[in-house]
Amino acid sequence: DTGVSQDPRHKITKRGQNVTFRCDPISEHNRLYWYRQTLGQGPEFLTYFQNEAQLEKSRLLSDRFSAERPKGSFSTLEIQRTEQGDSAMYLCASSSDRAEETQYFGPGTRLLVL
Amino acid sequence: DAKTTQPPSMDCAEGRAANLPCNHSTISGNEYVYWYRQIHSQGPQYIIHGLKNNETNEMASLIITEDRKSSTLILPHATLRDTAVYYCIVRAYDKIIFGKGTRLHILP
Repeated sequence: DTGVSQDPRHKITKRGQNVTFRCDPISEHNRLYWYRQTLGQGPEFLTYFQNEAQLEKSRLLSDRFSAERPKGSFSTLEIQRTEQGDSAMYLCASSSDRAEETQYFGPGTRLLVL
Repeated sequence: DAKTTQPPSMDCAEGRAANLPCNHSTISGNEYVYWYRQIHSQGPQYIIHGLKNNETNEMASLIITEDRKSSTLILPHATLRDTAVYYCIVRAYDKIIFGKGTRLHILP
């Protein structure tokens, strides 16, 4: 399968712990996006990369959140000192950087903070 | 905020065509209309997109009005597997701003 993959698919953690999620984009795609989705809502944009450069961050991305894409391939999203409000589905998408680029989404990582 | 308006839910009988409307009256000239769907607990799935011409692929057809202020996604022969939330999005580049979409129920 050559689609976007995410790991882990599910994560349960206790409040205050740190968690890290990984996203592997479609191999030829140089843009990578992170979104968050809470129950009953559409996905909300968090941040995106073009190659290894982080070009935009949403105000939803508090200082407890950090995303990296060190070699312009896979990306990680870390949440430090998790809070119950961080419980959500974290989605990754990738695309090329052509003008009509379509974003393709991964299956998501579902986080539950107890 | 999302630039589209969609009905919160719709029903369609299995085997019939599902027609999902979307209003995007403030769309700009360089913005495309995209449709995604999200089946429960999965990531959004790309369906189709267009700029001003009608488009068709193996999944659906997209009809965009001449003034581009609204569009309709057509699933020609709905099946139970088409039960999902359908998102209509307008965007030119980079991030997607999702609304709440239309929850489509396919009735057996």
